[in-house]
Amino acid sequence: EVQLVESGGGLVQPGRSLRLSCVASGFTFDNYAVHWVRQAPGKGLEWVSSATWNSGTIGYADSVKGRFTISRDNARNSLYLQMNSLRAEDTAVYYCSKDTGRSGWWYMDVWGKGTTVTVSS
Amino acid sequence: QSALTQPASVSGSPGQSITISCTGTTNDVGGYKFVSWYQQHPGKAPQVMIYDVSRRPSGVSNRFSGSKSGNTASLTISGLQAEDEADYYCSSYTTRNTYVFGTGTKVTVL
Repeated sequence: EVQLVESGGGLVQPGRSLRLSCVASGFTFDNYAVHWVRQAPGKGLEWVSSATWNSGTIGYADSVKGRFTISRDNARNSLYLQMNSLRAEDTAVYYCSKDTGRSGWWYMDVWGKGTTVTVSS
Repeated sequence: QSALTQPASVSGSPGQSITISCTGTTNDVGGYKFVSWYQQHPGKAPQVMIYDVSRRPSGVSNRFSGSKSGNTASLTISGLQAEDEADYYCSSYTTRNTYVFGTGTKVTVL
């Protein structure tokens, strides 16, 4: 079964850091680009960051650029999101998703169930 | 990176057809074929319904169809069913290696 499982969410104070992980199974992880997408409570989907199969091309939303870093370890079938200088507006469910493309971003065909990040003092 | 513009809500009776619009710019919807649509039920992860403007993944009902004209993409749901009640988001690849989602549309089956 093709699956993505996120972890690492939790309650964190403003200004602190958190690292999210996403473990893939059921497909050849290094054949595909991957994404992080978030959804604030009661709000819509917001693209956060993406990486091609070898991290040769990486993109960030303006709202997280300079604070968040996406990385992947193909040997461990894992995707990560290092989140620094967290703000209240970063509070959201964070989804990991798989693209159908390898060296580009086409569309997201597999999603994890998400992990919740709450930034509050 | 401004979100693509969608109507906040659309409703229809069972069996009717509804269309959701998604308006962007030449830097996203109008400039690329990589427009997709996602369905999200409450508390669930999104699921792709349409990709490459008008293509359907296997397993998605043929009641769902997509199109694009200029900077506006559209999703049409024909033969509306109770299970179609959900939030729908368009998305597009954009210039500068970024991605953007629409503002989202809540579909209500009357």
